[in-house]
Amino acid sequence: RKEVEQDPGPFNVPEGATVAFNCTYSNSASQSFFWYRQDCRKEPKLLMSVYSSGNEDGRFTAQLNRASQYISLLIRDSKLSDSATYLCVVAPSGGYNKLIFGAGTRLAVHP
Amino acid sequence: EAGVTQFPSHSVIEKGQTVTLRCDPISGHDNLYWYRRVMGKEIKFLLHFVKESKQDESGMPNNRFLAERTGGTYSTLKVQPAELEDSGVYFCASSPGWNTDTQYFGPGTRLTVL
Repeated sequence: RKEVEQDPGPFNVPEGATVAFNCTYSNSASQSFFWYRQDCRKEPKLLMSVYSSGNEDGRFTAQLNRASQYISLLIRDSKLSDSATYLCVVAPSGGYNKLIFGAGTRLAVHP
Repeated sequence: EAGVTQFPSHSVIEKGQTVTLRCDPISGHDNLYWYRRVMGKEIKFLLHFVKESKQDESGMPNNRFLAERTGGTYSTLKVQPAELEDSGVYFCASSPGWNTDTQYFGPGTRLTVL
């Protein structure tokens, strides 16, 4: 079983749509959680950290359910520029440690 | 502020040859990480330096891979001899090491072993 599992997609949505990505992780001792974004042939870039209380950054909302070992990302009012691969990332322990990546979910937003 | 830089951006070598990848972290970042993505797979951790010391090298695939970070500044990752399965994108990341776990990634080196 993979340490971080994501639906690979692709998710093809029209502009303005709301799309949700899910992710599960296997290590219950994991401490830190993130969503990274990766454009084609580029490096991963941090989109947002994920906190137990849930957090929002503009059109993006991330949720963490530690009991279910489940992380989600909601994108509202999708833009063409949101087209990318979204990587669910977990750190086994807090701070300065290796990141465990999911394989990514591809999003394609069309006009 | 300059980001993480990696050199070369692409490398094509033949099986059995040696390749050395270089990473320059963001200035002042004590933590330096190497990751790799092979075709069709997720990005995987290789190792972590804190300054010049190897903190965690649990992800290094075998002894054909040697990473160094002399003086705690830039790092090199040498593959010798390269095998076909070493092909992929090698990413370097760095983080400051105080009260943050955000890692900043470089653009990667795309390695092709023929």
